[in-house]
Amino acid sequence: TQLLEQSPQFLSIQEGENLTVYCNSSSVFSSLQWYRQEPGEGPVLLVTVVTGGEVKKLKRLTFQFGDARKDSSLHITAAQPGDTGLYLCAGFKETSGSRLTFGEGTQLTVNP
Amino acid sequence: EAGVAQSPRYKIIEKRQSVAFWCNPISGHATLYWYQQILGQGPKLLIQFQNNGVVDDSQLPKDRFSAERLKGVDSTLKIQPAKLEDSAVYLCASRRIRGWAEAFFGQGTRLTVV
Repeated sequence: TQLLEQSPQFLSIQEGENLTVYCNSSSVFSSLQWYRQEPGEGPVLLVTVVTGGEVKKLKRLTFQFGDARKDSSLHITAAQPGDTGLYLCAGFKETSGSRLTFGEGTQLTVNP
Repeated sequence: EAGVAQSPRYKIIEKRQSVAFWCNPISGHATLYWYQQILGQGPKLLIQFQNNGVVDDSQLPKDRFSAERLKGVDSTLKIQPAKLEDSAVYLCASRRIRGWAEAFFGQGTRLTVV
C-alpha cells in the first residue's frame, strides 16, 4: 500500500505550458518535501513545507501544503525543457522515528 | 561539505550470487537510510539507522538482505542470494537528527541481476 499517492504518473507538455502535480495521503505528516531526480543521479531536495496551508515559491515553482498537512501540490509556470525530470514528494514523520516515505513520482517531459 | 558517497556505481551479477554496497554518509549525520528504487518508481525504504542502531527495517527482505552500520558511520547493504527482481538502483541517504533537516542522497548503485 502506497502511503503517498502522486498524480499524474507521467506528464508530457510543450515548453511554455503550466502544470500541477499532486501528492495526496490519508496520513498527517510533520512535513512534506519535494525532490527532483535526473537519470543516473540521486534525488535533490527542492523544498520542505512544514505548516498547514503554507505556500513556498522557488522561481517558477510554487509549492503548497494542505491545511490538514495530508497533501501537497507543485505548480510549474511556463515550463522549460530543463524542468524535465522525476518529481518526488516525500512525507516526513517525526513520530515514526524520522521515517521519510516517498510517493511513486511524476515523470515530467517538457518538449521544446 | 562532501556529499554522500556510494560504491560501486554499477554492478552486474548472476542470480543466486551475492553482492554488497557501501555508503559513506555526510560527516555528523546520525540518520542513514537505504532505499531501493525500481526504474520509473519512487524510492522504497529498506532500512533506517540512527547512529549504529536500526530504527526501521520493516520492509527489508530479511531472508536475503542484510545491512549494518558499524560505529555509526559507514554502512553496507548485502544481498545473498540475489534474485532477478532485485535489479534496481540502491540509494543511500543521510540527514542530521533534528528538525526538518534535508536528506542528502548519494548517486546510487545500479544493480543488474541476470
